[in-house]
Amino acid sequence: ETGVTQSPTHLIKTRGQQVTLRCSSQSGHNTVSWYQQALGQGPQFIFQYYREEENGRGNFPPRFSGLQFPNYSSELNVNALELDDSALYLCASSWGTGRGPTEAFFGQGTRLTVV
Amino acid sequence: AQSVTQPDIHITVSEGASLELRCNYSYGATPYLFWYVQSPGQGLQLLLKYFSGDTLVQGIKGFEAEFKRSQSSFNLRKPSVHWSDAAEYFCAVANWRGGNQFYFGTGTSLTVIP
Repeated sequence: ETGVTQSPTHLIKTRGQQVTLRCSSQSGHNTVSWYQQALGQGPQFIFQYYREEENGRGNFPPRFSGLQFPNYSSELNVNALELDDSALYLCASSWGTGRGPTEAFFGQGTRLTVV
Repeated sequence: AQSVTQPDIHITVSEGASLELRCNYSYGATPYLFWYVQSPGQGLQLLLKYFSGDTLVQGIKGFEAEFKRSQSSFNLRKPSVHWSDAAEYFCAVANWRGGNQFYFGTGTSLTVIP
């Protein structure tokens, strides 16, 4: 069990709506990344926050946005939901030092279904 | 650009048999490589990682992986598979900018038969 918790675990939304997913990072970690995992696929990097600033973004449109709070927890917001946004959304936390890679710990994910 | 290829979409092995899952990566600099396992409906659990040094790395649950730079490979192995190893396995390469940004392969689904 990791210390990364995500809420909610499951969510159903209608096309065109907006959604907010939440992630509580592991104690002591200052970096949070978000991934989208479509059914039968590997996780795709959405973006990363390091000390409350966006620090890298994958190939996702601007309607995917995020936030990291002073306690290093994070939110992922998706506007104007589309059917293809249906996926498992994973949050990963790590301790970023700026001096090299570190181990990342994943939460259990939020299963988003868009109907 | 970095990328990971897992050539085997699905593998079936008998319990007690050996296992090798293939992973090839493309990365312009020193690769930081990982293997994760995912049980149905769950998040990802780290099996092992390679950052530098000894090219044979040991992980949890009896798994090991060997980094071969000349072949751009990081194959995962286990000498004797248990039924509980049935899961989805993902290889990933990391871009570490301030933290880890992972690029995952499409995964290999492992079925273990009695």
